Order: sequence, then structure tokens, then C-alpha cells
Amino acid sequence: ETTLTQSPAFLSAAPGDRVNISCRADQDLDDDLNWYQRKPGEAAIFIIQDASTLVPGISPRFSGSGYGTDFTLTINNIQSEDAAYYFCLQHDNFPWTFGQGTKVEI
Amino acid sequence: VQLVESGGGLVKPGRSLRLSCTASGFSFPDDALSWFRQAPGKGLEWVGFIRSTPAGGETEFGASVRGRFTISRDDSKNIAYLQMDSLNTDDSAVYYCTRVFRGGWYPDYWGQGTLVTVSS
Repeated sequence: ETTLTQSPAFLSAAPGDRVNISCRADQDLDDDLNWYQRKPGEAAIFIIQDASTLVPGISPRFSGSGYGTDFTLTINNIQSEDAAYYFCLQHDNFPWTFGQGTKVEI
Repeated sequence: VQLVESGGGLVKPGRSLRLSCTASGFSFPDDALSWFRQAPGKGLEWVGFIRSTPAGGETEFGASVRGRFTISRDDSKNIAYLQMDSLNTDDSAVYYCTRVFRGGWYPDYWGQGTLVTVSS
């Protein structure tokens, strides 16, 4: 089972900041890592697939990078509506596993 | 696409509970569905999935629930069920239903979750 270490657990940013969230795996995932956003009381939204592909309809302020074991979610020019819980998921091998999540406050 | 979970609540240890996931906006019989959970202060955990009906509707479960939980689907109602038996306090969590994206075999659409609390 793949362990994903996501950091930071919490971050506070000002509108307009650029923020990075890291997800590190304990084994090679190629690019089989996704990112999701979840706001309180709402369904999670799929934002980045396969490490770096922006899901259609998602703001281009979001981007993903990385390959193998180190991955990053970047939010450029962060806005108040980006306040949410973000988590990574690996789909390289079964069972699917997740990072511990990052709560982003604006 | 919309997924709505229901059926959560307070249940005593050792008892059973059935969650429902009502789906809309896609061809329900042709997609796999999966359940996940997140306990307070913990990360997400995969619970189990049910394959699409054309793929045989087979199910698989995570080690922590295998033998206690079952998943079924009613394609006539667009509902997937998570039957949870022999519940214990470690099963307390928000439970989420997702569609499994056929093109990559990972969850794409999620529900908003339903809270299950196991306590005496």
C-alpha cells in the first residue's frame, strides 16, 4: 500500500498569493496522482488529473506538477473562493490511498 | 453528475446501518461506484467499490471492512447501497460515494457525504 505524505496540513494565505501543496509518495507512481478540492458541506471537486492535467472547467489558477514520488499543487493568485480542503489521491496501484489533506485559509 | 448520500446517523456498536447513494446525470449501470470514508482528524480511506453491471457488478473491499460491509446496486433506481454490519467505534466517519472514472479507474465525481457515528 502506497503512503502519501501531504504538506502542509494547514496554510493561511492572502488574496493574490501563490501557494504550493506537496504530496510525496513512498514509491514510484509515474504520473498517477490526482488532486481534489472540498469545501465544507459540498461535494469534492476533481481539479487535477494525472499529476498535471487541469480538469475541464477548473480555473487555470490551479496547476499541478511532478512525477514519480514528488508532486505539487500550485494555486496562483489565490482568491477567497479557493478556501477549502485539498487532498491528493494515488491511482497507480490498489488500494487507492490519499494524502492527509491540506486546509487552506484565505 | 450528482451523487447524494443518505442514511447516516447514530448507531450502537455491533449494530447495522445501510447507506444509500442516489445518482443522476450519467448512465448509472455503466459505471462503477466506490465508497470512501474519513474519520475526524484522519485522512480519507477507501472502503469498497462495485463494478458496473456490464462488468459483472463485482465488489471489492478494504481490509478494515472486508467481511462486514457489502455494496449492492439497484440500476432501476440509480442507487448504490453500502450495508454496514457489526459496526464498531472505528467505523465512525463521514462516508462518501463516488463515481469511478472509466478512463482512468479513479474517483471523479463525489457526493457531499453522510455522517455515521458509532457510539453506545
